[in-house]
Amino acid sequence: GENVEQHPSTLSVQEGDSAVIKCTYSDSASNYFPWYKQELGKRPQLIIDIRSNVGEKKDQRIAVTLNKTAKHFSLHITETQPEDSAVYFCAASRGMNYGGSQGNLIFGKGTKLSVKP
Amino acid sequence: DGGITQSPKYLFRKEGQNVTLSCEQNLNHDAMYWYRQDPGQGLRLIYYSQIVNDFQKGDIAEGYSVSREKKESFPLTVTSAQKNPTAFYLCASSERRDGYTFGSGTRLTVV
Repeated sequence: GENVEQHPSTLSVQEGDSAVIKCTYSDSASNYFPWYKQELGKRPQLIIDIRSNVGEKKDQRIAVTLNKTAKHFSLHITETQPEDSAVYFCAASRGMNYGGSQGNLIFGKGTKLSVKP
Repeated sequence: DGGITQSPKYLFRKEGQNVTLSCEQNLNHDAMYWYRQDPGQGLRLIYYSQIVNDFQKGDIAEGYSVSREKKESFPLTVTSAQKNPTAFYLCASSERRDGYTFGSGTRLTVV
């Protein structure tokens, strides 16, 4: 079945360094790739997303890149700050093969990012 | 103030008991979803609904049931057939092909 692999599962960086989280997906029909940030005990929050007709998207310190050929996408956080510490999830939309409906997402298992002051 | 509300925040279930988790949204979204979150497992899809009076099984639907009688509401029942129900349950809604808005979750514990 469809699958999203996410690496690494944990990532520790010094404040001010960059952090990169990578995901691969299996469904070639996936066309929407959001990233969520979940702080401890809280709901996941959408931080950035990208669609399959775009190769890169940036929002201040956060950027996402997509390689459709290789079926992988990555989250890049620059100039990390302690408040970036959280669990980050990537996701990919299911294609029409999944019961003929689009819109529901399959998630990676998450990356716990720790930013040390 | 638009959003998605889950209740209760904490729920305790006895062996053999059915419990229902509430999810209400006022975002006028057509699609609603239930995910289960376990440590190290990410989010796994239980059920989803693209429109009122219609819903579909997700990846781990066994032991769960849902209804979608109103656009705003998508309650999840955890039945006694679910042998390992202790988890964090997240409800979400979306416009088609857009990102989700999540509720704040319900933490269910078997006692």
